[in-house]
Amino acid sequence: DIQMTQSPSSLSASVGDRVTITCRASQGISNYLAWYQQKPGKVPKLLIYAASTLQSGVPSRFSGSRSGTDFTLTISSLQPEDVATYYCQKYNSPPYTFGQGTKLEIK
Amino acid sequence: EVQVVESGGGLVQPGGSLRLSCAASGFTFSSYWMSWVRQAPGKGLEWVANIKQDGSEKYYVDSVKGRFTISRDNAKNSLYLQMNTLRAEDTAVYYCARGIRDSSGYYFAGVFDIWGQGTMVTVSS
Repeated sequence: DIQMTQSPSSLSASVGDRVTITCRASQGISNYLAWYQQKPGKVPKLLIYAASTLQSGVPSRFSGSRSGTDFTLTISSLQPEDVATYYCQKYNSPPYTFGQGTKLEIK
Repeated sequence: EVQVVESGGGLVQPGGSLRLSCAASGFTFSSYWMSWVRQAPGKGLEWVANIKQDGSEKYYVDSVKGRFTISRDNAKNSLYLQMNTLRAEDTAVYYCARGIRDSSGYYFAGVFDIWGQGTMVTVSS
C-alpha cells in the first residue's frame, strides 16, 4: 500500500507568517491528494482536493501544490483560527490513506 | 441543510458486535459514494470502508476485512457498518462521510466533504 508521510509533525508559527506543510507519497498518485483541517474537538473539514483545488468556502490564504510525489499545503498569512491539525490524504484508489497529521500552533 | 448523523456506538466487549447507522438528509443520498472513517483517541484519521452509490462495490482497509461489512439503504437514506469480532484496537470515533461531487459533476469515492459528528465505539472488558 502507498504510504503518506507528512512533515513536520508539529509546527509553531506567528500570526501573519507563511506556513508550509509537506506530504510525500511513497508512490505516484497523480493529483489525487486532499488536505483536511481538524480543529480541536471538531470534525475534519475538507480544504483542498485534486492537490490544488480549493473547496468551496475555504479562505484563499490556503493553497496547495504538487511536485511529483511531493505535495504542499501553504497558508499565506497565518490567522489565530488556523490552529488545528492538518491531514493529507491520497484518494487515487483504496485504501484512502491519511498522513499522520501536522499539529499547527500559534507562537 | 446537508448533513449526516451517526448513531449506534457504545461499549462492547472484545469479540462482540455492533451496528452503526448513518442517517443522511439534505442531498440525494443515492447519488454519492459513502464512507466510514475512524479516529482512535488522540490519534489520526483512518479510512475504514466505502460503498458505491448502488451498493455494487465495497472496499475495506485490510485491518477490518472479514470482520466489518458496509451497506446502504437508499430508500431510507441510510448507511450502515456492521462490526463483528471487535478488538480493543477498533476503539475510536467512527465518522460517516460523503464522497465529493466536483465542479465537472464527477463523483469521487475517496475524498470527503460532509462529515457527521461521529459516534464513539469502545471495545473493552
